[in-house]
Amino acid sequence: KQEVTQIPAALSVPEGENLVLNCSFTDSAIYNLQWFRQDPGKGLTSLLLIQSSQREQTSGRLNASLDKSSGRSTLYIAASQPGDSATYLCAVDQGGSEKLVFGKGMKLTVNP
Amino acid sequence: DAGVIQSPRHEVTEMGQEVTLRCKPISGHNSLFWYRQTMMRGLELLIYFNNNVPIDDSGMPEDRFSAKMPNASFSTLKIQPSEPRDSAVYFCASTETGVNYGYTFGSGTRLTVV
Repeated sequence: KQEVTQIPAALSVPEGENLVLNCSFTDSAIYNLQWFRQDPGKGLTSLLLIQSSQREQTSGRLNASLDKSSGRSTLYIAASQPGDSATYLCAVDQGGSEKLVFGKGMKLTVNP
Repeated sequence: DAGVIQSPRHEVTEMGQEVTLRCKPISGHNSLFWYRQTMMRGLELLIYFNNNVPIDDSGMPEDRFSAKMPNASFSTLKIQPSEPRDSAVYFCASTETGVNYGYTFGSGTRLTVV
């Protein structure tokens, strides 16, 4: 059974820092991995999708990498801003089962 | 496209009442998922449909929960009778099978059972 872990559960940093958010998964046979952002009381917004054949994806200040063999993904946030404060969730897609398995998320607070 | 649309956004009901949550997936998406989010357990998959057919309902907590997808543009999740422990945020998501564009989530329904 696939398990997705995000450590730490929360992180508080001053504005301007470059951040690395970690995600690990137990079964490397994945179809893709997706990073989401969730603001308090809101739904999930997709940030980046990395297909199993890819190593990384970039969008603006965000860069996500994938190492299937080691069961790890990282989300890199450059020059963090208070507006980046949210919960970030990592989810893996097992493909044929058409299911997303989520980590518990990491709550990020960027202080001005 | 307006995205995945869920209604209502908030629902407060008394224990024992029937609750119906609604979802309209993105047009063209053929897979639909219902998730439940709580502080303790995070996001849990309840059930998913492919081409309007339920594929896996192993995540449905008990018989009080049921879900239907009568057509490609509409799905419901019903709880009858509701209990306080059902209080959570319920999300609907959709995707297009095999295209690998990822999943799109609705804004969720926050259910409170008192």
